[in-house]
Amino acid sequence: DSGVTQTPKHLITATGQRVTLRCSPRSGDLSVYWYQQSLDQGLQFLIQYYNGEERAKGNILERFSAQQFPDLHSELNLSSLELGDSALYFCASSYGGFRDTQYFGPGTRLTVL
Amino acid sequence: DAKTTQPNSMESNEEEPVHLPCNHSTISGTDYIHWYRQLPSQGPEYVIHGLTSNVNNRMASLAIAEDRKSSTLILHRATLRDAAVYYCILLDSGGGADGLTFGKGTHLIIQP
Repeated sequence: DSGVTQTPKHLITATGQRVTLRCSPRSGDLSVYWYQQSLDQGLQFLIQYYNGEERAKGNILERFSAQQFPDLHSELNLSSLELGDSALYFCASSYGGFRDTQYFGPGTRLTVL
Repeated sequence: DAKTTQPNSMESNEEEPVHLPCNHSTISGTDYIHWYRQLPSQGPEYVIHGLTSNVNNRMASLAIAEDRKSSTLILHRATLRDAAVYYCILLDSGGGADGLTFGKGTHLIIQP
């Protein structure tokens, strides 16, 4: 158990819809990262937040957005969903920045029908 | 960004040592070498990291070549639970804006 929690575990929705994925970091960690894992693209970094502020962006689509709240939990919002958005979405946390060990949650499996 | 090259897959027997290689010929002097692994149906898990010297922890050892252009993750006594995809990742000591860049990794198969 990494100490990072993600909800929900599974999500099934239709194209065009919007969903929100939630992540609670390990106690004491200030950074939250979001990653997408699909069969053809592997694990891809989406975005990082540090203590409530956006720190770095990766391959995140404009249809996707994220935020980190004062209690440090984070939400990833995916809108206008397409079939290709079906993937595993992982959240990770670390105390500081990228050089720190990242602890990954169990993931949310999103299926877009 | 400096890239890493790993074999697609390796196979080993239970209770034997496993040596997982990683080539990083364009590594810079400030890049740390990190290893993560991903067990089936789980999120990635940190294994070990190092800069220049060999490193040991309870999970594994990391042997870094003198010129730092390659490294080897050593599992001293593999168990079935070590079957996973192992990723070798370079991280600049100054941090970066790209997050962890996972390649395809090495799929380690452990035979009983």
